[in-house]
Amino acid sequence: GEEVAQTPKHLVRGEGQKAKLYCAPIKGHSYVFWYQQVLKNEFKFLISFQNENVFDETGMPKERFSAKCLPNSPCSLEIQATKLEDSAVYFCASRLGTLQSNVLTFGAGSRLTVL
Amino acid sequence: KQEVTQIPAALSVPEGENLVLNCSFTDSAIYNLQWFRQDPGKGLTSLLLIQSSQREQTSGRLNASLDKSSGRSTLYIAASQPGDSATYLCAVFSGTYKYIFGTGTRLKVLA
Repeated sequence: GEEVAQTPKHLVRGEGQKAKLYCAPIKGHSYVFWYQQVLKNEFKFLISFQNENVFDETGMPKERFSAKCLPNSPCSLEIQATKLEDSAVYFCASRLGTLQSNVLTFGAGSRLTVL
Repeated sequence: KQEVTQIPAALSVPEGENLVLNCSFTDSAIYNLQWFRQDPGKGLTSLLLIQSSQREQTSGRLNASLDKSSGRSTLYIAASQPGDSATYLCAVFSGTYKYIFGTGTRLKVLA
């Protein structure tokens, strides 16, 4: 499709529970990015993919966070043993390729609340 | 390490005013710069993208300029309307192949 689709819109988890978020990038887009927005405007880069390959994972808290983009499936971001500070809106974005002119398109986000 | 700053952090103007939002970045080796708006509780909507070789881009009442050598971009909004009220973010795409976001400017246009 022509939009980045993220599910679920809202997710509530107790501390220590697992959370899994999904993202379907725009069809044909080769690059997928995950961002975390904790405070009102602060966007923290988590991870990026080039097709199903991890491109850059320098932002991922590796001990609890994992992500995948498998062929013919939505991309996923999973948090094991959630903590209170994981409460945030998680945004997925996709980009066609590597050209300077390629626009980054965002999904509507998934709001995770950890109680 | 690329750092992106936006000034002012918040802005309140009467309807009809022309206004300028500023974005500064520390590393001039960028591929492009993109301006977004974010409405409360929503995702980001792309407004304008300026490639590193370009000086400005225009869309309707919006005009974005880029001065790579000085590490600055401005977003000019002409004849502001209450519907323009939102948070505006700039994001720099550079050699690390990830977008670094600014801190945002919260704009309120009063009717």
